[in-house]
Amino acid sequence: QLQLQESGPGLVKPSETLSLTCSVSAGSISSSRYSWGWIRQPPWKGLEWIGNIYNGGSTYYNPSLKSRVTISVDTSKNHFSLTLTSVTAADTAVYYCARTRAVGGRGYWYFDLWGRGTLVTVSS
Amino acid sequence: QSVLTQPPSVSGAPGQRVTISCTGSNFNIGAGYDVHWYQQLPGTAPKLLIYGNNNRPSGVPDRFSGSKSGTSASLAITGLQAEDETDYYCQSYDTRLSDWVFGGGTKLTVL
Repeated sequence: QLQLQESGPGLVKPSETLSLTCSVSAGSISSSRYSWGWIRQPPWKGLEWIGNIYNGGSTYYNPSLKSRVTISVDTSKNHFSLTLTSVTAADTAVYYCARTRAVGGRGYWYFDLWGRGTLVTVSS
Repeated sequence: QSVLTQPPSVSGAPGQRVTISCTGSNFNIGAGYDVHWYQQLPGTAPKLLIYGNNNRPSGVPDRFSGSKSGTSASLAITGLQAEDETDYYCQSYDTRLSDWVFGGGTKLTVL
């Protein structure tokens, strides 16, 4: 069974850059049937989609975060990454990576497999 | 304010049937986009519960079912069990935002 595991610093200072990696094991990240995404959840709040990368290059970002977000993929290492610049306390959240079933158009995609999540706190 | 509206909480007694609504608009659910549901147990990652409006992934009990009509969708849970007490989220796609969107989440309490 394919598994996803997030990794990265648990503490980031305000105005700095948050960088996380999602390692994919027991399966290949190179598949046209899937996209790879990031979702976050602030403490005691709901889920917020951050962005997705598809087919090794096409990216889709939450418009409210688009100016600060970059998602990339490294097929040789079978992982994909998230960078979020100029962070503030509002970016404190559990960050999840997720495999996205890319069936038909984007309006039908769903997150079928999730990592365990990693808490990132923005504080000086 | 979430684009998809869910009731903050619902409750039911063991063995009963409960439903959780997810109300959207003509830019998402009403536009024909699929609705998916996730279950999030305390301290864990969300887990796919229903995909494509009414399909259950392997391993999800048939006590869970989904439906969609117009600009709304619903998750139904029959034969309520104590282990069902947790948070549930709906998700769809919004064409105005060009964005995958989640509902605000519903906490189910088993009385």
